[in-house]
Amino acid sequence: DTGVSQDPRHKITKRGQNVTFRCDPISEHNRLYWYRQTLGQGPEFLTYFQNEAQLEKSRLLSDRFSAERPKGSFSTLEIQRTEQGDSAMYLCASSLGAGGQETQYFGPGTRLLVL
Amino acid sequence: AQTVTQSQPEMSVQEAETVTLSCTYDTSENNYYLFWYKQPPSRQMILVIRQEAYKQQNATENRFSVNFQKAAKSFSLKISDSQLGDTAMYFCAFMKHEDRDDKIIFGKGTRLHILP
Repeated sequence: DTGVSQDPRHKITKRGQNVTFRCDPISEHNRLYWYRQTLGQGPEFLTYFQNEAQLEKSRLLSDRFSAERPKGSFSTLEIQRTEQGDSAMYLCASSLGAGGQETQYFGPGTRLLVL
Repeated sequence: AQTVTQSQPEMSVQEAETVTLSCTYDTSENNYYLFWYKQPPSRQMILVIRQEAYKQQNATENRFSVNFQKAAKSFSLKISDSQLGDTAMYFCAFMKHEDRDDKIIFGKGTRLHILP
């Protein structure tokens, strides 16, 4: 069973550019979550999907952020007009089902640096 | 709103010793889950242990055990016979007991160093 994978692992971009990250969950996992982790902090929830449906978005997710999971498998997170404050580790997690009994498995993250 | 507080930013212990990481949380929920996650250097986060709030018995997983005090809203992690591979960032985390709201709320973490 391959784990959650994320691509790219590192991204350096200039302020104002658009970036897109990809997350491939564990096969047949229905739930997919995005979290953001800044230096010295724990991960913070951004959004999550049940299959292809986006069920909740955090207030942290400004209108410059958009996430999709078009076929209920992989997901993309796009940030438009990046700002220096977007620099962070973006973590993806997936779980087989909903709730606390279902373990969320995390990917290695995409580290974004906005210059 | 739920909050999770870890008051120990960093700890160091000798290999084979026992170490306890502290965590307190705040919630008005009666049923919920608590977790400890481990994030090794440059590696992905993994679940260490899970506790359901309605279960009075403290969860254990091999060398890892918790002390869950619901009334005090305290959830500490004890690592026995610590090993070099336990060196990592440890996050205490909270989740509501609702399938439609199963996002994890994390504390800021405790960086644990196991010394040879």
